[in-house]
Formats: sequence, C-alpha cells, structure tokens
Amino acid sequence: DAGVIQSPRHEVTEMGQEVTLRCKPISGHDYLFWYRQTMMRGLELLIYFNNNVPIDDSGMPEDRFSAKMPNASFSTLKIQPSEPRDSAVYFCASSFGQGAASGANVLTFGAGSRLTVL
Amino acid sequence: KQEVTQIPAALSVPEGENLVLNCSFTDSAIYNLQWFRQDPGKGLTSLLLIQSSQREQTSGRLNASLDKSSGRSTLYIAASQPGDSATYLCAAPHNYGQNFVFGPGTRLSVLP
Repeated sequence: DAGVIQSPRHEVTEMGQEVTLRCKPISGHDYLFWYRQTMMRGLELLIYFNNNVPIDDSGMPEDRFSAKMPNASFSTLKIQPSEPRDSAVYFCASSFGQGAASGANVLTFGAGSRLTVL
Repeated sequence: KQEVTQIPAALSVPEGENLVLNCSFTDSAIYNLQWFRQDPGKGLTSLLLIQSSQREQTSGRLNASLDKSSGRSTLYIAASQPGDSATYLCAAPHNYGQNFVFGPGTRLSVLP
C-alpha cells in the first residue's frame, strides 16, 4: 500500500478563497482523522470518521470548516472562506479497528498539506 | 478532557548516550498510548503503541512503558545516534475513544 495520500502538498491562496484538501486513507482502514499542526497550538484533532460517518467534529474551529467522507477511500476538508489564521499544516491519518489485534489503532499519517493564506 | 504534556521540551545529547523522554496524561480512561517521531517538514511516523494491559513495549533500541495509575509513559532510547534527531510526540486518547490528543513533543538533538 502507498500509505495515506494527501493532496495538495502545498497550497498558497488569498484570504476569502475556498480551499479543499484531499485524503486517501490506507485500504482497509475504517478510521480517518484530520489534524492541524501549528507552532502555537501543536497538533490538534479537527474531526474523525468511522466507516465514513463523522464521529467527533468538536475540534472543527468554525463553520467555515467542513469535512466529508463520501466513501471509504476518499475524504475532503474544506475551508470557505479561508483566513490567514488558517495557515497551518493539515494532516490526514487512518487506522483500523479496535482491540488488541496486531496493528490495531496505530495511526498512519500522510505527509501533510501545508496551507498558506495570504 | 484529555491533556497531554511532555518533558523536556528539548534535549541535546552526545552520540551513544541513553536517554528518557517523559509523557504525562490526565485521563486514565485509555485503551492504549502511542509514541511518534516527526522529522522537520515531514509527517508523523508511529514508533510504538502500548496497550493499556501492557506495561512495556520494545522495538529495537526503543522501549516504552505505560503506568495508567500515575498517568505517565516514558520512551527510553538506548545508545542514541545522530539519526535519532527528531521531535518525539506521545498521544493518548480521550475517554476510551479514538480521538487521540497529542503532547507538544520533545525535540531531540543527538550530536556526533
């Protein structure tokens, strides 16, 4: 498997524009997570899905942020409209199952999408 | 709400030293705890996952321990090498869930 794939790797946009970040999780993983990393706040969980259903979106900062997972192999994080304070690295991660099975619950991260909002 | 802290924030050691990184968490209702490594400008790589029923987990020169009752985990790195230089983060879930909360990390520099 190629791992968790995120696109774009870098995005520079102007304030007010719509930004869409994409993620392809590892095949067979039933959990998908969106994290944001900044120097000031570290790594923060935004939202996570189980079997394509959003379970906890309490970390989504504002209504400007939305996330979808239309199928098991694709998820998007959308920011509309974007603001300079949204500048950060956005990570997608996936994992499988629960319990004590080998490899269960191990988070596998993508390389991240670095967003700069001017 | 789970809160995770790590000490020290940064550590610089000469090559060959053994070292210990510390992680503390406030909510002991966890199934497991994970340690990650992050190289500058890169994503996170999982190092070790410790189930709550375990006390230790080992991978090569790395050994992680977990004490739920005290809310602590340690990552021991034996015979450190310059290639170990990175930021090390621990993550503990909240309320037996899958929403892992990350600590701020310990930035390690191993000098040749």
